[in-house]
Amino acid sequence: AQKITQTQPGMFVQEKEAVTLDCTYDTSDPSYGLFWYKQPSSGEMIFLIYQGSYDQQNATEGRYSLNFQKARKSANLVISASQLGDSAMYFCAMREAFNNNDMRFGAGTRLTVKP
Amino acid sequence: SQTIHQWPATLVQPVGSPLSLECTVEGTSNPNLYWYRQAAGRGLQLLFYSVGIGQISSEVPQNLSASRPQDRQFILSSKKLLLSDSGFYLCAWSGTGDNNEQFFGPGTRLTVL
Repeated sequence: AQKITQTQPGMFVQEKEAVTLDCTYDTSDPSYGLFWYKQPSSGEMIFLIYQGSYDQQNATEGRYSLNFQKARKSANLVISASQLGDSAMYFCAMREAFNNNDMRFGAGTRLTVKP
Repeated sequence: SQTIHQWPATLVQPVGSPLSLECTVEGTSNPNLYWYRQAAGRGLQLLFYSVGIGQISSEVPQNLSASRPQDRQFILSSKKLLLSDSGFYLCAWSGTGDNNEQFFGPGTRLTVL
């Protein structure tokens, strides 16, 4: 069963503007973690941000923030003040506590930042 | 600081040939180790993970195998490659606590002809 859904295959944003990348998930485990990774054209996967299911506040890391809406099972990534170097594939991932070695990834969203 | 290495970076192999991809981690002990495959334009698929030396769990049936001969070494192998084995192979490590993020290596791009 599909656990992670990213409905935006591609997104465009103007440099210096904010952009939201959508992610919804499905789990019956009350304890889980949500992750966002960036994959530039070089192929490496770069960890960006983490949100735990019991965290009361939305996670933030520099220009990245995670809009966590638990009831809606969504974990959208917000990138503020976009930069040209933000152009990349972005993957949402989830790991459930009952099987915390199985991290499931979404299909990804390709973000292009326009100058 | 921890680093993760993969080699080779790229590989072109004929169908039916063997495969050996290596992954090593530095700067940490007893990591959990993972092998993923990424088909072109797709997300990541977990192939194997290991929580310790000699302990391998397989997530999908396939003609690939994995081994962990040392604490910080993870090897992905095949006796006979198929065309469908082409893809981008990523190794990752994580700590052993709950919800630790995974850190990825630079990847190996495999093309089977």
